[in-house]
Amino acid sequence: GAGVSQSPSNKVTEKGKDVELRCDPISGHTALYWYRQSLGQGLEFLIYFQGNSAPDKSGLPSDRFSAERTGGSVSTLTIQRTQQEDSAVYLCASSLVGFREIYEQYFGPGTRLTVT
Amino acid sequence: GENVEQHPSTLSVQEGDSAVIKCTYSDSASNYFPWYKQELGKGPQLIIDIRSNVGEKKDQRIAVTLNKTAKHFSLHITETQPEDSAVYFCAASSNTGKLIFGQGTTLQVKP
Repeated sequence: GAGVSQSPSNKVTEKGKDVELRCDPISGHTALYWYRQSLGQGLEFLIYFQGNSAPDKSGLPSDRFSAERTGGSVSTLTIQRTQQEDSAVYLCASSLVGFREIYEQYFGPGTRLTVT
Repeated sequence: GENVEQHPSTLSVQEGDSAVIKCTYSDSASNYFPWYKQELGKGPQLIIDIRSNVGEKKDQRIAVTLNKTAKHFSLHITETQPEDSAVYFCAASSNTGKLIFGQGTTLQVKP
């Protein structure tokens, strides 16, 4: 079946502009995660959705970052007033959810964001 | 806070040799340990995982071992092939599902 998809694959933006990154999870996966991969920091957790609610936003680096999920499916990560340090690959993953059970997370190809 | 240390950062082996990558974690509540392979320009691909109630798991040429007492887990790749060349990440998770990743190991398999 179809895997996790993300769009755009690449985004170049000017410092100070807002950007929106989109994630389409695997059909039926109620859990959705955003991670950021940068050269200096490796893979960092940003935010976790269970359905449309976000019980864990602890990884969002500043209030310029926000995310939402609608209909228990598509998620959008928004970065306002982008800074050069926001340049990174933004990865989305999805998984099933069970009671006290951890399921495998499957990643999308990522969005490479470059802030000039 | 939660932390995962991964070693080595780079590993070069001859085709057919074995490769071992090791990780340690700090959060004693961690109970799920996946390994991902990432090729250039692609997202991480899950290759094997292990849960805290198991000490070892094997899938063809890949095996993972877990020592909960020492908070260590390792990836073993036998009979390496050039297509095994990639960056490998270990991760740890508790029941929250959030993955804490190691820093990655760049594996090069020389033909």
